[in-house]
Amino acid sequence: GENVEQHPSTLSVQEGDSAVIKCTYSDSASNYFPWYKQELGKRPQLIIDIRSNVGEKKDQRIAVTLNKTAKHFSLHITETQPEDSAVYFCAASIPPNFGNEKLTFGTGTRLTIIP
Amino acid sequence: DAGVIQSPRHEVTEMGQEVTLRCKPISGHDYLFWYRQTMMRGLELLIYFNNNVPIDDSGMPEDRFSAKMPNASFSTLKIQPSEPRDSAVYFCASSIRNGTGGQPQHFGDGTRLSIL
Repeated sequence: GENVEQHPSTLSVQEGDSAVIKCTYSDSASNYFPWYKQELGKRPQLIIDIRSNVGEKKDQRIAVTLNKTAKHFSLHITETQPEDSAVYFCAASIPPNFGNEKLTFGTGTRLTIIP
Repeated sequence: DAGVIQSPRHEVTEMGQEVTLRCKPISGHDYLFWYRQTMMRGLELLIYFNNNVPIDDSGMPEDRFSAKMPNASFSTLKIQPSEPRDSAVYFCASSIRNGTGGQPQHFGDGTRLSIL
């Protein structure tokens, strides 16, 4: 089955700097890659996602890049703010015709923004 | 849209008692997922349903855990008998099938379960 590895497990950056979180996946059939943000005591919330037919997607200060050849994707947060402090999870899923609709999650990155 | 609704939000009970967690998915969603989250093991998929039918229960830890989905708007996760190691946050999530595959899962607020 699919295996998703996420690095780093913890990340501290100065407010205003950029943060990058990286994930690799094992199944080349994977075609959907969402990122979730989970604040302390709250539910995971989708912040951005990308499909395998595009290499990059941006939404204001957040961007995700995908390298299908290398089977890795990354989350980039620019101009970080204190409210960006949270745990971030990457995930991957394979197409439904493979008979599997589940997301395989990475182990999470705890991002701390230092004021 | 009310989102995924879970109840109760918090549950504290003694070891050996039966625990029932409830979930109402987003209307129109045909997939429902149950997850368990702990510091040690992260976010684990326990079971998921499609059109009320269990598709993959390989994540269910043992026979003490069972899940049902009697209709499109309701699912339960039961633990009987409960043990202290079952203490965790349990999330329910739902999604809607996309013909090309890959759709975001929408999570409920979770049930924080403590077994004493």
